[in-house]
Amino acid sequence: NAGVTQTPKFQVLKTGQSMTLQCAQDMNHNSMYWYRQDPGMGLRLIYYSASEGTTDKGEVPNGYNVSRLNKREFSLRLESAAPSQTSVYFCASSEDTGVKGNQPQHFGDGTRLSIL
Amino acid sequence: AQKITQTQPGMFVQEKEAVTLDCTYDTSDQSYGLFWYKQPSSGEMIFLIYQGSYDEQNATEGRYSLNFQKARKSANLVISASQLGDSAMYFCAMRDRSYPGANNLFFGTGTRLTVIP
Repeated sequence: NAGVTQTPKFQVLKTGQSMTLQCAQDMNHNSMYWYRQDPGMGLRLIYYSASEGTTDKGEVPNGYNVSRLNKREFSLRLESAAPSQTSVYFCASSEDTGVKGNQPQHFGDGTRLSIL
Repeated sequence: AQKITQTQPGMFVQEKEAVTLDCTYDTSDQSYGLFWYKQPSSGEMIFLIYQGSYDEQNATEGRYSLNFQKARKSANLVISASQLGDSAMYFCAMRDRSYPGANNLFFGTGTRLTVIP
């Protein structure tokens, strides 16, 4: 049972470089999410996709773009990386709110990203 | 606006003892959901337990139980018979209705639990 798979697990970038974080889920969930986790803070929502074909901004979207490639895959792109984007990034998926409001989010193992 | 507060940055507990991790929340919604997640040192986020605002009983899942006091807006996690493997960060989270159409969560800042042998 793979659940939510994120790649890569670790990445070091130089300021100004671009990269895409990949996320795939095999639970047939409609909703997917990208969070960042910084020291001393909880997870903060970057972008989410309530269903295939839709994406929306979360709490901290600046500097990021997302693509919901299909129902399984939701990628996060940093176009021009900045040191402030050094963080641990988590992808998650869940059932729809319309199905059951008590459905938890299922998380990937995270991507540790350092920007020099 | 919704808010989750976890006032204990760190907690210590003796192995086999019970421990309570505090969580208070603020919301104007009548219908809401509260979640607890565990994050071990390996980094993954593990769902532990859920409590709905209309649930009459406190949620329980094995050694985890949720002490839900609606009037006080608190949803404390109780871990019974602590084990060394319980050492981790614990996050309280609430369904975030700022983003309709999805099950977004708003997270607290976490409590680091250390179980002492």
